[in-house]
Amino acid sequence: IAGITQAPTSQILAAGRRMTLRCTQDMRHNAMYWYRQDLGLGLRLIHYSNTAGTTGKGEVPDGYSVSRANTDDFPLTLASAVPSQTSVYFCASSDNSGSVHTQYFGPGTRLTVL
Amino acid sequence: GQNIDQPTEMTATEGAIVQINCTYQTSGFNGLFWYQQHAGEAPTFLSYNVLDGLEEKGRFSSFLSRSKGYSYLLLKELQMKDSASYLCAVVDSNYQLIWGAGTKLIIKP
Repeated sequence: IAGITQAPTSQILAAGRRMTLRCTQDMRHNAMYWYRQDLGLGLRLIHYSNTAGTTGKGEVPDGYSVSRANTDDFPLTLASAVPSQTSVYFCASSDNSGSVHTQYFGPGTRLTVL
Repeated sequence: GQNIDQPTEMTATEGAIVQINCTYQTSGFNGLFWYQQHAGEAPTFLSYNVLDGLEEKGRFSSFLSRSKGYSYLLLKELQMKDSASYLCAVVDSNYQLIWGAGTKLIIKP
């Protein structure tokens, strides 16, 4: 593994189903993030984690949950998917120990909820 | 509220120069990032400015004026591979990134 990986690459999901998007990084970054990206809108932060064991809500957290059991993994769960959650989801990580918190992104998961 | 404004789309010619502007109004300022995103791919880091002035990195330069809430990304000697979206993002007072919607740059031969 080099950088950040996400799985699955894409998924079609029936409304009401539960889904977990996986994210793993091998850079030992302390902070991790989940964004959604929709056409015409900027990246919107769903949830974040500044360090293992802690999480916080972003701009659009409703309908999503996260956990950060260790440094490397940051899964995003949709408890009961709805069509408005159709989007491209990006996971990112950054080293927040310095003064510049550059975020590095995974390849994304394209999710369609029908 | 917090707001980042960028043009939606720009067109330029191969070999030319293009300037992509970004204006912002945010709660606090702790730096500004530019990212490049090719269609269907993840955003990748281009530049970071926290002090006023111009930062040059090869064919790409980024400028910041904190007093004007303004930045631009300058791309020189345009190549076809520069066709992409360019995202401006500001680090706010909580050290969260506030993202613009991005500028789609189309390069014509």
